[in-house]
Amino acid sequence: GESVGLHLPTLSVQEGDNSIINCAYSNSASDYFIWYKQESGKGPQFIIDIRSNMDKRQGQRVTVLLNKTVKHLSLQIAATQPGDSAVYFCADAGNMLTFGGGTRLMVKP
Amino acid sequence: EPEVTQTPSHQVTQMGQEVILRCVPISNHLYFYWYRQILGQKVEFLFSFYNNEISEKSEIFDDQFSVERPDGSNFTLKIRSTKLEDSAMYFCASSQQGSSYNEQFFGPGTRLTVL
Repeated sequence: GESVGLHLPTLSVQEGDNSIINCAYSNSASDYFIWYKQESGKGPQFIIDIRSNMDKRQGQRVTVLLNKTVKHLSLQIAATQPGDSAVYFCADAGNMLTFGGGTRLMVKP
Repeated sequence: EPEVTQTPSHQVTQMGQEVILRCVPISNHLYFYWYRQILGQKVEFLFSFYNNEISEKSEIFDDQFSVERPDGSNFTLKIRSTKLEDSAMYFCASSQQGSSYNEQFFGPGTRLTVL
């Protein structure tokens, strides 16, 4: 069936480095995606979204790239900080919000 | 900043017992959602709720689950005859509108442990 999935379960980066978290999706009709951050003991928190008519969207220190040809999303975090440590989910925001499996980002001081 | 709240933060129950999970959505939101996250797994959609009825539900949402809005603000998810595999975090979310382009705001979740 249709699914949203992540490439790596854990990503460890040095504080100050850039982080890249990847996500693949299988539904070619998907037209809206959201990245969520989930800190320990908390609910998912909206980070940034992108619609299928765009291939790039930038926020504060975060950039999402969408490659519809290969059905791939990435979340880039610039100058990663300890507070960025969390699990990151991509989600296909169609009729039902369908989450991927999550990547745990660990920031080393 | 308005936020979604959920109580209790942690609920421990015996298998076969009924539990009620409570949520207070953001006050001007009209669309409500429940999700489940089994430990170490992805967040899974349970159902959405609008205008006092369930608008969409996943295959997870079976007769074991029921939902009520006892008043204009509170929102409850009842799980009848809990099973061990019901142990999970349960998240409530709300949004102003129901379109997929409208941000859902998540509560902190209730951790349900079934023994």
